[in-house]
Amino acid sequence: SQTIHQWPATLVQPVGSPLSLECTVEGTSNPNLYWYRQAAGRGLQLLFYSVGIGQISSEVPQNLSASRPQDRQFILSSKKLLLSDSGFYLCAWAKRGGSETQYFGPGTRLLVL
Amino acid sequence: AQSVTQLGSHVSVSEGALVLLRCNYSSSVPPYLFWYVQYPNQGLQLLLKYTTGATLVKGINGFEAEFKKSETSFHLTKPSAHMSDAAEYFCAVSDGGATNKLIFGTGTLLAVQP
Repeated sequence: SQTIHQWPATLVQPVGSPLSLECTVEGTSNPNLYWYRQAAGRGLQLLFYSVGIGQISSEVPQNLSASRPQDRQFILSSKKLLLSDSGFYLCAWAKRGGSETQYFGPGTRLLVL
Repeated sequence: AQSVTQLGSHVSVSEGALVLLRCNYSSSVPPYLFWYVQYPNQGLQLLLKYTTGATLVKGINGFEAEFKKSETSFHLTKPSAHMSDAAEYFCAVSDGGATNKLIFGTGTLLAVQP
């Protein structure tokens, strides 16, 4: 069976500090991968998606970047965090195809102070 | 372009009462539709999805949803609410392409009163 991991679970960072959130998937190969942000009281905003190693598409201009160094690893980064980067970050994976289900990780709670 | 509207950001029902969460979509292609549930500080869990075929879709935990093309709706129902159903529910539509991007509604927070 497939599993998806995210870490850390919780992170408190000062404004201006760097960020690295990691997501890994087990039990599948060549998945589509996604990063979402969920701000308090709001829905899910798709930040990045990837259909393969080194292939990253950005959905919104922002202070964040993503990378996919390995087939089942997806990293969300920032060089300098802003207060507005606070939120709940979710990683998801899916098989190729428009009808396929996205499966979500447990999330990382980021608080920027 | 696809979009999803969830009517009612907060819904409150009594335990044992009918649960009805509304979702309307807009899609330029035949839609693939999803309902997810999120418990506090957790990721999203798939409740059910519609791709093709039977328009009444049954999911986990006694939930079901009916795809109505003429009304562009995909409302989620459960005959009898349980305390454990208290959570946030998200409706989503897929862009239908190989990237399988999902467009989510803003969510409905369901409260269940004893």
